[in-house]
Amino acid sequence: AQSVTQLDSQVPVFEEAPVELRCNYSSSVSVYLFWYVQYPNQGLQLLLKYLSGSTLVESINGFEAEFNKSQTSFHLRKPSVHISDTAEYFCAVSLRSNFGNEKLTFGTGTRLTIIP
Amino acid sequence: DTGVSQDPRHKITKRGQNVTFRCDPISEHNRLYWYRQTLGQGPEFLTYFQNEAQLEKSRLLSDRFSAERPKGSFSTLEIQRTEQGDSAMYLCASSPNQPKPGQNNEQFFGPGTRLTVL
Repeated sequence: AQSVTQLDSQVPVFEEAPVELRCNYSSSVSVYLFWYVQYPNQGLQLLLKYLSGSTLVESINGFEAEFNKSQTSFHLRKPSVHISDTAEYFCAVSLRSNFGNEKLTFGTGTRLTIIP
Repeated sequence: DTGVSQDPRHKITKRGQNVTFRCDPISEHNRLYWYRQTLGQGPEFLTYFQNEAQLEKSRLLSDRFSAERPKGSFSTLEIQRTEQGDSAMYLCASSPNQPKPGQNNEQFFGPGTRLTVL
């Protein structure tokens, strides 16, 4: 079975400051890794994912995450946050499979609050 | 592509009543997932379908819960004899069976149905 740990339940950050949201996972087999974002009163949206290849993955809105196999981590970073980044962020894993579609196991989420 | 839709968005019911939620996935997606999200927690997997076949059910899905996808399109999730502990956001997601390159495991989520059991 897989598990995901997000150590920080809430992270307040001043606008234009950098941020890192931490994610660690546990699995006995290879996994895919994801970050989802949930804006207030909206559903989950995929922010970025690691499937294979380069361990650094980027989103279109300036977030990046780095897969670190030795530390079983997939931390999310942004060098300069904006008010619009206020949301809940979920790290998730799924099994690697030939079919490419497996259930997601989520962490408990990190609420990112941007302070003007 | 109108995305995944769920109905209703909100449901308030009294303990002991039955409720049914509907999910309409993205039209060409074969796989459909149900998750439950309680306050302060991440979503937890409940069950998923490949077309009309229910392939896996979580231990969270007690015998009061039943999910169907009769024609491989929309799905329903029914909770019988609701309990206050059933209060949660119920999320539906869909994904293509044969994803395009770079799309592996990408599940598209609906807005959810928030259930409150009084």
